[in-house]
Amino acid sequence: QKEVEQNSGPLSVPEGAIASLNCTYSDRGSQSFFWYRQYSGKSPELIMSIYSNGDKEDGRFTAQLNKASQYVSLLIRDSQPSDSATYLCAVNEGYGNKLVFGAGTILRVKS
Amino acid sequence: SAVISQKPSRDICQRGTSLTIQCQVDSQVTMMFWYRQQPGQSLTLIATANQGSEATYESGFVIDKFPISRPNLTFSTLTVSNMSPEDSSIYLCSASLGNSNQPQHFGDGTRLSIL
Repeated sequence: QKEVEQNSGPLSVPEGAIASLNCTYSDRGSQSFFWYRQYSGKSPELIMSIYSNGDKEDGRFTAQLNKASQYVSLLIRDSQPSDSATYLCAVNEGYGNKLVFGAGTILRVKS
Repeated sequence: SAVISQKPSRDICQRGTSLTIQCQVDSQVTMMFWYRQQPGQSLTLIATANQGSEATYESGFVIDKFPISRPNLTFSTLTVSNMSPEDSSIYLCSASLGNSNQPQHFGDGTRLSIL
């Protein structure tokens, strides 16, 4: 059974701080890694995708991937109250299109 | 990214009835998927909707309970059959544009309550 593990939180950070969200996965064959943001009562929204080791930056978001450690993370710089949401880590199964989702980390940004 | 429309957005149904959820994508997509998200939990894949062939179901989900159609590259339906209160959940459709590295994008979901 392929697994994706996330700390459920909640992770509380003050406004303007860096939020660090972590995810580990079990399938060494995974090639694609995604972070989704889900506001309460809404559907998941893709915010980052990463495919190779290292960092990928997009605005205030940075995704980090370490395939050797089977670890992917999301950093949110200058956190805003509007970033308060559940963040879902998703990993593809092997070379296919199926995604396995983690349970999600609840982030709360306090103003 | 593709725009994915899902309907109904919510419904309240009686035990023992069936409901069909529709998912429309504004462009042709290779892959379409159906998920369930129970309150406070993450997404669980029900099945992959294959165009022109039977859906591929995940462990714990069967065609008799969740029949799926995909008549073309832009449309799919999921039916929740013979509903019970345990089927109360959010059902989400997603689509992926291309090869295995492409992300999935989600519709707005259908919030289903069974009385």
